[in-house]
Amino acid sequence: DTGVSQNPRHKITKRGQNVTFRCDPISEHNRLYWYRQTLGQGPEFLTYFQNEAQLEKSRLLSDRFSAERPKGSFSTLEIQRTEQGDSAMYLCASSSDANQPQHFGDGTRLSIL
Amino acid sequence: RKEVEQDPGPFNVPEGATVAFNCTYSNSASQSFFWYRQDCRKEPKLLMSVYSSGNEDGRFTAQLNRASQYISLLIRDSKLSDSATYLCVGLNAGGTSYGKLTFGQGTILTVHP
Repeated sequence: DTGVSQNPRHKITKRGQNVTFRCDPISEHNRLYWYRQTLGQGPEFLTYFQNEAQLEKSRLLSDRFSAERPKGSFSTLEIQRTEQGDSAMYLCASSSDANQPQHFGDGTRLSIL
Repeated sequence: RKEVEQDPGPFNVPEGATVAFNCTYSNSASQSFFWYRQDCRKEPKLLMSVYSSGNEDGRFTAQLNRASQYISLLIRDSKLSDSATYLCVGLNAGGTSYGKLTFGQGTILTVHP
């Protein structure tokens, strides 16, 4: 399968814990995006990378959130000191260029107890 | 006001019906538009791009009216398998947000026998 891969698929954790998600984009895609989706809403943009450079971060991305793409391939999204409001589906997408459609991974569903 | 607005529905139609979804956008920086389909608890998948000249893919027709900032999706001869959430999506055309997707809330379609 050469699509976008995310893991874990599900994460359940207690409030206050740190969590880290991983995204492996389609191999030839240099753009990688993170989105968050809550029930009944469309995905909301969080941040994106072109190669290893993080080019934009949404206001939704508080200082508890950090994303990296150290070698321009896979990316990680870390949430520190999780809160109930962080419960959501975290989606990763990649594209070959800025104006090309983005392809999404299966997402990581985060539940905060 | 949200940048991309959709009627959330739900739309309940019988098999074989024709159904139309509408979407409006407010961000003139959005240059390209797409319709994505999202099944329950799954990732969004690209359905089709939307062009000013209108484009058709089998039973699906999409149209963009830049003057009215209005996007539509028409589904003819609905199938049970068309049941999903349809997301109207704008792609930012320039600046640091180039490539960022802005999603509407999604329109829920249920096709029944």
